[in-house]
Amino acid sequence: NAGVTQTPKFQVLKTGQSMTLQCAQDMNHEYMSWYRQDPGMGLRLIHYSVGAGITDQGEVPNGYNVSRSTTEDFPLRLLSAAPSQTSVYFCASSYSSSPGGELFFGEGSRLTVL
Amino acid sequence: QQQVKQSPQSLIVQKGGISIINCAYENTAFDYFPWYQQFPGKGPALLIAIRPDVSEKKEGRFTISFNKSAKQFSLHIMDSQPGDSATYFCAASRRIYGNKLVFGAGTILRVKS
Repeated sequence: NAGVTQTPKFQVLKTGQSMTLQCAQDMNHEYMSWYRQDPGMGLRLIHYSVGAGITDQGEVPNGYNVSRSTTEDFPLRLLSAAPSQTSVYFCASSYSSSPGGELFFGEGSRLTVL
Repeated sequence: QQQVKQSPQSLIVQKGGISIINCAYENTAFDYFPWYQQFPGKGPALLIAIRPDVSEKKEGRFTISFNKSAKQFSLHIMDSQPGDSATYFCAASRRIYGNKLVFGAGTILRVKS
């Protein structure tokens, strides 16, 4: 029972490089989202999707792109990495976009931008 | 601007003691208040949640107390155990915005044996 799988677990980038953080879930969840976790700031929503083909911005979307071509996958793209994007990134999914639906998180991807 | 303010930032409790973590929110439209628990190297996991139509919810050793008029809610961990050592996040959301949770800054709990 894989749940939410994130790759890579660790990544080091140089300023200006681009990369994609992968997220896949095998629970047939409608709702998927990306959060970043920074010390003293909790988790902040970057982008989210309520179903295939539908995405929207969260609280801190600048510098990130997403797409949702399938129910299972929700990749997060960093277009031109900046040191301010050094963080731990979490992908989360839930069965429904309605509140009260438990969010299931992946184990995180730790990104360092030099 | 943090919509959900959480305190304390860190907490040390003796085994068997009570751990208390507090959160305050500003947006009165919030209508769902979960707590998530995170162990090192892992993603957060739902611990317990409450809606504003009740003042308290208990699940085992974990209790949420909710004060709608004060816009505050808290997590109480009774008989705290070393295995409870983790980071705890409170969160809130508005029903019409689905699962767009707003998280507090987190509390690092250490239970000393």
